[in-house]
Amino acid sequence: GAGVSQTPSNKVTEKGKYVELRCDPISGHTALYWYRQSLGQGPEFLIYFQGTGAADDSGLPNDRFFAVRPEGSVSTLKIQRTERGDSAVYLCASSLAGGQSDTQYFGPGTRLTVL
Amino acid sequence: GESVGLHLPTLSVQEGDNSIINCAYSNSASDYFIWYKQESGKGPQFIIDIRSNMDKRQGQRVTVLLNKTVKHLSLQIAATQPGDSAVYFCAENRMGSNFGNEKLTFGTGTRLTIIP
Repeated sequence: GAGVSQTPSNKVTEKGKYVELRCDPISGHTALYWYRQSLGQGPEFLIYFQGTGAADDSGLPNDRFFAVRPEGSVSTLKIQRTERGDSAVYLCASSLAGGQSDTQYFGPGTRLTVL
Repeated sequence: GESVGLHLPTLSVQEGDNSIINCAYSNSASDYFIWYKQESGKGPQFIIDIRSNMDKRQGQRVTVLLNKTVKHLSLQIAATQPGDSAVYFCAENRMGSNFGNEKLTFGTGTRLTIIP
């Protein structure tokens, strides 16, 4: 079956611009996660959704970052007033129910470059 | 502070040999660990997991060992193949800010290269 998909695969923007990154989770998965991966590093947690609600947003670095999941399926990560330090690969993952030992399946990521 | 880290950033292994990738963690309360494989341009792919009430778990060609005394885990890959070349991450599943414990904390990663 289809895995987690993310669009666009690459996004280049200028400092100060607004960007939206989209994630389509595996069908039927109620839990959705966003991570950010800088070059040479492991992924870092940003936010976790259970259904439509953000159950844990403790990883969002500041108020320029916001994410939504209005219908409990597709999620959009929004970044306002982008900065060069926001350049990274943004990974989305989903799991069936969100429990501790529920496997998180990752998408291919969106590579964001802020010039 | 709390962290999940790795001993070696790079590892080269002859094809057909076994490889061992190590990982240290610092939070003694951690109770669930996962190994992921990440190939270039792709997202992390689940390999195997282990709970803290176990000290060993085996999969297909892979074995994870957990030593809670020294807060160390390792991933053993038997009879390595060229397709095993990738970056390997250990991850720890911790309690989130609310209920549940969904967020993963990853280490930096080890790049495994299989030499033909």
